[in-house]
Amino acid sequence: DAKTTQPTSMDCAEGRAANLPCNHSTISGNEYVYWYRQIHSQGPQYIIHGLKNNETNEMASLIITEDRKSSTLILPHATLRDTAVYYCIVRVMNYGGSQGNLIFGKGTKLSVKP
Amino acid sequence: SAVISQKPSRDICQRGTSLTIQCQVDSQVTMMFWYRQQPGQSLTLIATANQGSEATYESGFVIDKFPISRPNLTFSTLTVSNMSPEDSSIYLCSVDNRDSEAFFGQGTRLTVV
Repeated sequence: DAKTTQPTSMDCAEGRAANLPCNHSTISGNEYVYWYRQIHSQGPQYIIHGLKNNETNEMASLIITEDRKSSTLILPHATLRDTAVYYCIVRVMNYGGSQGNLIFGKGTKLSVKP
Repeated sequence: SAVISQKPSRDICQRGTSLTIQCQVDSQVTMMFWYRQQPGQSLTLIATANQGSEATYESGFVIDKFPISRPNLTFSTLTVSNMSPEDSSIYLCSVDNRDSEAFFGQGTRLTVV
């Protein structure tokens, strides 16, 4: 079972920041937080991942609380093309670099509106 | 990033037949993953394909139904055997790169009639 909880759906106005929350209260010390999105009829797209520090890349920012029990994905200027299902996933990263499996939950359906 | 090509992109098959899906990656990867996404649902991991050894299947999935090949570090196949309408799904191949970023193919949309 997925170890994360996300709202089923959210709306965001075009051009505004989209803030997608995720709860992962049972996260372990060796588990990373990953975010993916799936635009209709396409394969999932990697967005960002982090352990405990905030991360930023060209797509988004990831803010992880100090206790690591929740995180927020921020799309700074949402566009209509950001409409998708967003998945928050915790993934084991073992010593030596091997990774655990990605377990997908139901995700958040983000609708960006004009 | 890794570029993943899946073939076929879609197919309509008769029940009782089998379909083999191919996954080609543009770089060598240690592990490849196969997922299923049933209509309106999230992704479910079927198995992990390791080069040089048998695939590791998740609970609810068996080798007789979903045989997997992994002949080298850039290629894998998933066969959906003795298909029924319940097998109608999108089947996706995935790989990890060196930065532990998993990439997905565009999927194979299978309809069983």
